[in-house]
This record gives sequence, structure tokens and C-alpha cells, in this order.
Amino acid sequence: GAGVSQSPSNKVTEKGKDVELRCDPISGHTALYWYRQSLGQGLEFLIYFQGNSAPDKSGLPSDRFSAERTGGSVSTLTIQRTQQEDSAVYLCASSLSGRNGGELFFGEGSRLTVL
Amino acid sequence: SQQGEEDPQALSIQEGENATMNCSYKTSINNLQWYRQNSGRGLVHLILIRSNEREKHSGRLRVTLDTSKKSSSLLITASRAADTASYFCATGGDSGNTPLVFGKGTRLSVIA
Repeated sequence: GAGVSQSPSNKVTEKGKDVELRCDPISGHTALYWYRQSLGQGLEFLIYFQGNSAPDKSGLPSDRFSAERTGGSVSTLTIQRTQQEDSAVYLCASSLSGRNGGELFFGEGSRLTVL
Repeated sequence: SQQGEEDPQALSIQEGENATMNCSYKTSINNLQWYRQNSGRGLVHLILIRSNEREKHSGRLRVTLDTSKKSSSLLITASRAADTASYFCATGGDSGNTPLVFGKGTRLSVIA
């Protein structure tokens, strides 16, 4: 596709379950970002992948959160043992190059609800 | 932690009026960007201004940047109901390989 694709668009899960969120960036974009947005709030940075460099994981809120990017393309954000405070929209974005903060292209997000 | 802080948090204007939103940030930047978000989903890039630029225009948008005050403003002229959205500023660090950091946004309502 032409844009950033995220799935699922909505996910409802029970507290304690694991969830996986997927992001398919724009082809050729070397930088990929995950952000989290709680209701009515700004974007909270989670993790950033740039090419073959080690990812910047400084925004991950706990060790229950992890992400990987396979083959420099698709990324999966995994949340283990979900908690109610994990409920949010998880936004993925890609950029042609992460260097010097280029324009980001966002997906439509995955809305996670933890009951 | 969030770098940019938008002001005001919410703004309501009549169609045809101009809307001004401000963004302040804390550390040195390489560039500052403005994004728009409808209905809490994906953000759309509006404009990027580099640290060595002072003003930039794009259609009805005008962005200014004052690096001495660490602040930026976004002006939307002749607003339309379709401009109703949340607007975020985002800053890119000057170390060359840092992720964009977003503010909390300004919620703009344009009343027809």
C-alpha cells in the first residue's frame, strides 16, 4: 500500500493477556516509530528504529513492552500481561530517514482497550 | 518526557477568523514540525521549519520560529469548519538521530 498500515485497528483484551500490534511502514522508509496516545492527551514516544542501528527503547514504559522490526520493514509491538493503564491508541509512523527529524507518515493507529 | 508545549490547550473561533497556536520547547532543535490530527487517529504532517529559518508559508498556514525564545507559532488564516482538529508541534533534536518529540496539542474548533 501507499501509506503506513496498522493492524488491528481495534483490540479489546482482558487484563493479563498479551497483545501484538503490527505496523507495515511505507516501502523504503528506514525509520519507524511507535507512539502511544491516551484519550485527549499528546503523543508519548515509545521506541524508534533507524536502519540497522540499535533501536532507541528509551520511551518504553516497562519491561512488559517490547518491539521488533524484521528485515528492516514490518514492526511488531508486543505488550505482555496487559494492564488497564495500557489502554490507548498505539500509533506507528515511518520516515524516509530518521536523521535530523524528517517528516513522519502515520498509520491510523491501533486502539487497545484492556478490560 | 514531552518537549513541546502547545498553547492554548483549546481554541474556539468563528469560520473566517484566524487561529494562532503557540509551541514552546526546551532544548536545542534541528527543526520543528506541525501536525494535524482528526478524531484521535493518525496525524498528518503540515509543515516543517528548520532551526535556521524564521518564517515559512504553506497555503493558509504560516509558521514562525524564534530559537532565542524557543518558541514557534502556527497561524491558520481564514479558518474553515474543516480545520477543526487537534494540532501538535514536534521537535527534532540537534544530535541528528533522535526521535521526534510531540507536545500535548491544541484542540481547535471552527464554528460555521
